[in-house]
Amino acid sequence: ETGVTQSPTHLIKTRGQQVTLRCSSQSGHNTVSWYQQALGQGPQFIFQYYREEENGRGNFPPRFSGLQFPNYSSELNVNALELDDSALYLCASSLMTEGYTFGSGTRLTVV
Amino acid sequence: GNSVTQMEGPVTLSEEAFLTINCTYTATGYPSLFWYVQYPGEGLQLLLKATKADDKGSNKGFEATYRKETTSFHLEKGSVQVSDSAVYFCALSGAGNNRKLIWGLGTSLAVNP
Repeated sequence: ETGVTQSPTHLIKTRGQQVTLRCSSQSGHNTVSWYQQALGQGPQFIFQYYREEENGRGNFPPRFSGLQFPNYSSELNVNALELDDSALYLCASSLMTEGYTFGSGTRLTVV
Repeated sequence: GNSVTQMEGPVTLSEEAFLTINCTYTATGYPSLFWYVQYPGEGLQLLLKATKADDKGSNKGFEATYRKETTSFHLEKGSVQVSDSAVYFCALSGAGNNRKLIWGLGTSLAVNP
């Protein structure tokens, strides 16, 4: 059991750029969710993928998009970065009603 | 819609004190309930969970009981340690395909020696 792995761990981007964050799900987990956690805040749900299809989305604009691949790994893409996008981005995988396993996150700083 | 209300922090306790962090929820159907812990500079770790009414989740000396009649899932520990200092999040997950996690705002706990 390998757990959830996210890459990169830290990233600095300039306003207006695009970024791709990656997540490898825990072995056997077919559901992946992405969350944004601003400093001192609780996580905010971005979207969820189940078997390669988006099946839930939070209150985030369309410039936040994602993919889930056949091996259940996932990407989060953010276009036209804004300063407020600076946050810890967390990926979590799960299987049915089991608890979610979180990765350590990617710390994105937009300058 | 579903929501989670968690007691505000920060909470400061002395070592070996009793801990309670209150959590209540609003949900349709029968959600699953979770407590996650986030140590400084780290990601979220599942602490315990309960998937149906009257279930008690427990781990590392922490306990929480799923109370449907009071829509609560309070976290308790009989004797806290300095190493328990962290931020604790209560969360729920809806039934069926709507299994996104809805989070409380988090409660920061500081335990002094």
